[in-house]
Amino acid sequence: GQQVMQIPQYQHVQEGEDFTTYCNSSTTLSNIQWYKQRPGGHPVFLIQLVKSGEVKKQKRLTFQFGEAKKNSSLHITATQTTDVGTYFCAGTLRNFGNEKLTFGTGTRLTIIP
Amino acid sequence: NAGVTQTPKFQVLKTGQSMTLQCAQDMNHEYMSWYRQDPGMGLRLIHYSVGAGITDQGEVPNGYNVSRSTTEDFPLRLLSAAPSQTSVYFCASSYGTGSYTEAFFGQGTRLTVV
Repeated sequence: GQQVMQIPQYQHVQEGEDFTTYCNSSTTLSNIQWYKQRPGGHPVFLIQLVKSGEVKKQKRLTFQFGEAKKNSSLHITATQTTDVGTYFCAGTLRNFGNEKLTFGTGTRLTIIP
Repeated sequence: NAGVTQTPKFQVLKTGQSMTLQCAQDMNHEYMSWYRQDPGMGLRLIHYSVGAGITDQGEVPNGYNVSRSTTEDFPLRLLSAAPSQTSVYFCASSYGTGSYTEAFFGQGTRLTVV
């Protein structure tokens, strides 16, 4: 079954509202990456987190990696129409092979202008 | 740089037909991989390669073959297409071991099997 789950699957927000997507793994992760896929496009790398409890920021985006390295979150402050797309987390599952990047199920964000 | 190039962009196959999805990268990346994307399922790993001459199975390898004769190319073969293989296919490449560095994706191939 799916090793890495994301919630929610869909999120509709008014422009200017905040947005958060959560990523949960049944297995400890060695790292977590986040990707954004615009409608009709391909996934584009946003960031990687490696350390337990790590927090990184990119302008309005805040990424967190849980203390147990089994969960992560992406928070967008004051969403804009350019934030529309599907956000994926991806991680290397410990004990499942160092070369395999397992993607989450994704959260599709739509913005109501 | 072209990055990761996939061809074709769209393809319709009849059940039982075979075809090859092409993937080429010009970044001299050792690691290449194939994913399929289905609604609500995210991206699932089909096959991957850590270098020329080396391939391994991912999460959903059945019905697909790969080979890696050069660093640049990583074609995906569908042996006998089935409707369950209708999906969007993405090829990706990464520097180094793959899962610890940024993955660069191609534009995708939208495949429909009828």
